[in-house]
Amino acid sequence: EAGVTQFPSHSVIEKGQTVTLRCDPISGHDNLYWYRRVMGKEIKFLLHFVKESKQDESGMPNNRFLAERTGGTYSTLKVQPAELEDSGVYFCASSPLIAGWGYTFGSGTRLTVV
Amino acid sequence: KNEVEQSPQNLTAQEGEFITINCSYSVGISALHWLQQHPGGGIVSLFMLSSGKKKHGRLIATINIQEKHSSLHITASHPRDSAVYICAVSLGGNTDKLIFGTGTRLQVFP
Repeated sequence: EAGVTQFPSHSVIEKGQTVTLRCDPISGHDNLYWYRRVMGKEIKFLLHFVKESKQDESGMPNNRFLAERTGGTYSTLKVQPAELEDSGVYFCASSPLIAGWGYTFGSGTRLTVV
Repeated sequence: KNEVEQSPQNLTAQEGEFITINCSYSVGISALHWLQQHPGGGIVSLFMLSSGKKKHGRLIATINIQEKHSSLHITASHPRDSAVYICAVSLGGNTDKLIFGTGTRLQVFP
């Protein structure tokens, strides 16, 4: 079974540019989460999809961040325009709709804004 | 103050030593998770527990719901156990999102 796939694994962009991160969850996992770790801090929640619907986007830092999950399959997280403080590692995790099965994490995308 | 606190932040050990990492939380939870991240690697889920104790190989996780405390033990530690160990709690409800501790960096020397 394929795991949660994220790409790119690394991205270096200039301040003001746009970057799109992608997450492919495990097939059949209706829950998809985005998390972020900025340097030296704990990993923090960004948002949660159930299928194609945003269940909770309370962790999204501002309107420069846009997440989508078209068709309830893969998800994208776009940052436009990127700022220096957006640098960090962005993790995606997925889980089945039935509670109690835990989460599977992707390897993360390391974003560096210079 | 973070809702999930881990200790210690850094830990070094000699191969074969018994290791304990602690996690305390201050919110109501549906479950507690122990996660592992090797250098340059992704996050791997080790345990999800809501009561009692779980064991997998040389790893043991315990939780005390009344005291809001969990421990991760590694018996007969090995250099390949060197990683960051992260405690996270899930809040349940419609989102069931995770709140993470800052992690414990473990280095095991031969």
